[in-house]
Amino acid sequence: AQSVAQPEDQVNVAEGNPLTVKCTYSVSGNPYLFWYVQYPNRGLQFLLKYITGDNLVKGSYGFEAEFNKSQTSFHLKKPSALVSDSALYFCAVRDYVSGNTPLVFGKGTRLSVIA
Amino acid sequence: DAGVTQSPTHLIKTRGQQVTLRCSPKSGHDTVSWYQQALGQGPQFIFQYYEEEERQRGNFPDRFSGHQFPNYSSELNVNALLLGDSALYLCASSLRAPNTGELFFGEGSRLTVL
Repeated sequence: AQSVAQPEDQVNVAEGNPLTVKCTYSVSGNPYLFWYVQYPNRGLQFLLKYITGDNLVKGSYGFEAEFNKSQTSFHLKKPSALVSDSALYFCAVRDYVSGNTPLVFGKGTRLSVIA
Repeated sequence: DAGVTQSPTHLIKTRGQQVTLRCSPKSGHDTVSWYQQALGQGPQFIFQYYEEEERQRGNFPDRFSGHQFPNYSSELNVNALLLGDSALYLCASSLRAPNTGELFFGEGSRLTVL
């Protein structure tokens, strides 16, 4: 069964500094990896995904993520954080063994960007 | 282009009651998934509907049931509500194929069980 670990409950970063939100995964087949963001009392918004190809994936709002197969990681990054990036971030994985498996989410990491 | 819409946005029930939540998928999508997000937790997969049938199910009791209609909209029903069912219920839509696509989420229905 697939699983996702987000080892940090909270990440604090100063505005203008680079940010990283960590994610590791476990699957039996090939992973399809996703990042979502959730603002207070809202649904989840898609940021980016890795399916195949280039290990560095670029997404919405200047975010990017790096797929590392040997470390089974898919960390979310942004070169320069904004206060408006403060939100809850979820990593998710789908295990493509066969058929259509459900998307499994991590428990989330709260990002706080301080002005 | 209408995204995923859910209703109601908030509701309060008492233990033992039953609740029905509704979801209209994003235009062009044929698959609906339901997730439960407890406070401070990540979304937990309940089940997925495609072609009006439940295709996959997470680790939820059969008090949780659903339905998908010919227009792809969906309902989530929860019977015999427990305090622990209090959560944000998220509906997500997608295309069945290819399965590399992302899920599009609604704003959720926040259920409080007293």
